[in-house]
Amino acid sequence: DSGVTQTPKHLITATGQRVTLRCSPRSGDLSVYWYQQSLDQGLQFLIQYYNGEERAKGNILERFSAQQFPDLHSELNLSSLELGDSALYFCASSVRLAAAYNEQFFGPGTRLTVL
Amino acid sequence: GQQLNQSPQSMFIQEGEDVSMNCTSSSIFNTWLWYKQDPGEGPVLLIALYKAGELTSNGRLTAQFGITRKDSFLNISASIPSDVGIYFCAGLGFNAGNMLTFGGGTRLMVKP
Repeated sequence: DSGVTQTPKHLITATGQRVTLRCSPRSGDLSVYWYQQSLDQGLQFLIQYYNGEERAKGNILERFSAQQFPDLHSELNLSSLELGDSALYFCASSVRLAAAYNEQFFGPGTRLTVL
Repeated sequence: GQQLNQSPQSMFIQEGEDVSMNCTSSSIFNTWLWYKQDPGEGPVLLIALYKAGELTSNGRLTAQFGITRKDSFLNISASIPSDVGIYFCAGLGFNAGNMLTFGGGTRLMVKP
């Protein structure tokens, strides 16, 4: 158990819908990352938050957005869902933001299926 | 953007055999990482490499950070059934903050 929790574990929805994925980082971790894992794209970095502020953006679609709340939990919002959005979505957390690497601990993921 | 080429994509080996997988990149990385992902779980860090040429072991696992900073390999010795899973390399580039670039993964299957 990494200490990072994600809910829900599974989510099945229809095209055009909007969903919210939730992540609670490890106690004491200020930085949260979101990743998408699909069969054809592998693990792709989406976005990073540190202490409530967006710090880095990867290959995140405009239909997707995220935020980190004062209690440090984070939500990833996916809207106008398409079939190709079906994937595993992982949240990871780390202690701080630094130029040198500090270990990211991954949650168990949310499996999103868009029908 | 940066890309990591990981090979092989999959391996099916006999228990007790040694395993080797590697990652290459067209870009330089300042940190190389190796993760393992079990079914239904998130990736777990196995080994982190911070210096070019560094060779690091973690039990039966050994990984090296290539001298050119553009490659890394992971070896698993005397494989056992619980080694089954997907192994990912990941790199952290200069000025990349804490953003990781992942390889495509190597799916390892071990026959008892």
